[in-house]
Amino acid sequence: AQRVTQPEKLLSVFKGAPVELKCNYSYSGSPELFWYVQYSRQRLQLLLRHISRESIKGFTADLNKGETSFHLKKPFAQEEDSAMYYCALRWSFQKLVFGTGTRLLVSP
Amino acid sequence: NAGVTQTPKFRVLKTGQSMTLLCAQDMNHEYMYWYRQDPGMGLRLIHYSVGEGTTAKGEVPDGYNVSRLKKQNFLLGLESAAPSQTSVYFCASSSETSGSSYEQYFGPGTRLTVT
Repeated sequence: AQRVTQPEKLLSVFKGAPVELKCNYSYSGSPELFWYVQYSRQRLQLLLRHISRESIKGFTADLNKGETSFHLKKPFAQEEDSAMYYCALRWSFQKLVFGTGTRLLVSP
Repeated sequence: NAGVTQTPKFRVLKTGQSMTLLCAQDMNHEYMYWYRQDPGMGLRLIHYSVGEGTTAKGEVPDGYNVSRLKKQNFLLGLESAAPSQTSVYFCASSSETSGSSYEQYFGPGTRLTVT
């Protein structure tokens, strides 16, 4: 069955430090993966998708099929990056399965 | 263009009461979804709809019913609320066209407490 694992509930870093939010998936088909972000008091929104290989707000994520991972990275964290981050896998039509989320806290 | 809206924002119910959550979208999206968000469990799909008049079960459908009588609206009903249904409920919508890259657009959420 399809599954997304985010092993860290909380990741706390200082401003300017590198960030890596881990995401591993389990899926027998061809995976399509996404990162969604939820800032405080805001709705969940798409951050980036692996298929477009883009960089949004300095974040990048590379799909590694060998390791079944889609880790989210940013070289220099900013305080405004503090938020809840969800990794998601698209399967069957347009259904998504989400990981349990990682709260990123960036301290000054 | 309001995107996805949800009514109400907050609600407190007593065990056994019923209620309906309303989701509306103005993007002409074909697909709509209801999720619940619980601490440590992420978002879980309750029900979804691929078009007007059609609905299907998601991962955690028990205790909920849905209806999609109009393309822009997706209703989530709780017939007899239980404390286990205390959660934050999110509605989302997406377009069927592949050019949209299947992005789901979310509403602001409804915080429901069942006592």
